[in-house]
Amino acid sequence: LAKTTQPISMDSYEGQEVNITCSHNNIATNDYITWYQQFPSQGPRFIIQGYKTKVTNEVASLFIPADRKSSTLSLPRVSLSDTAVYYCLVLGAGNKLTFGGGTRVLVKP
Amino acid sequence: KAGVTQTPRYLIKTRGQQVTLSCSPISGHRSVSWYQQTPGQGLQFLFEYFSETQRNKGNFPGRFSGRQFSNSRSEMNVSTLELGDSALYLCASSLTISTDTQYFGPGTRLTVL
Repeated sequence: LAKTTQPISMDSYEGQEVNITCSHNNIATNDYITWYQQFPSQGPRFIIQGYKTKVTNEVASLFIPADRKSSTLSLPRVSLSDTAVYYCLVLGAGNKLTFGGGTRVLVKP
Repeated sequence: KAGVTQTPRYLIKTRGQQVTLSCSPISGHRSVSWYQQTPGQGLQFLFEYFSETQRNKGNFPGRFSGRQFSNSRSEMNVSTLELGDSALYLCASSLTISTDTQYFGPGTRLTVL
């Protein structure tokens, strides 16, 4: 199974862009990269998923370089409500999700 | 479309008891996975069910078991509870085993005294 490594925490200010990079050195050819957001005492919420290059949706962008050994979640113009833990994970064979430790993002006013 | 629901939301048990948690997936989803989340260990995969069959199992003792019914609803059971079993238990559903996106329920907070 691919192992993901991400920073433990990050601080930002309202209106700024937050970029969280995750490394997944032994990602397999068929693995997708997915990001989830989790608030205290709630289940993780799907943010975005990608396989290569760049994916964008209404809340975030995901940048994946050609070697796919890392990926960067970009949250544009964060607000206080974006304070949460963000998990990068790689989905391998068997649909078994293995979560990394998560990045705690604190958005300050 | 309704999301993943889990019952009960909160549960308090004592050591040695057993507990059963329930999960109803999103309508049409056939895969259900269970996870345990604790401050120390983070999110850990318990097991996955698809079409009433267990497809994958994480590294948990045999006290943790589960099953899935024909309507895709799933239950997990923990027997002989230990203090260390106190955690948030999360259920996630996905459309099929080949679909990457899993949608999580709110979780069941289990406290073992």
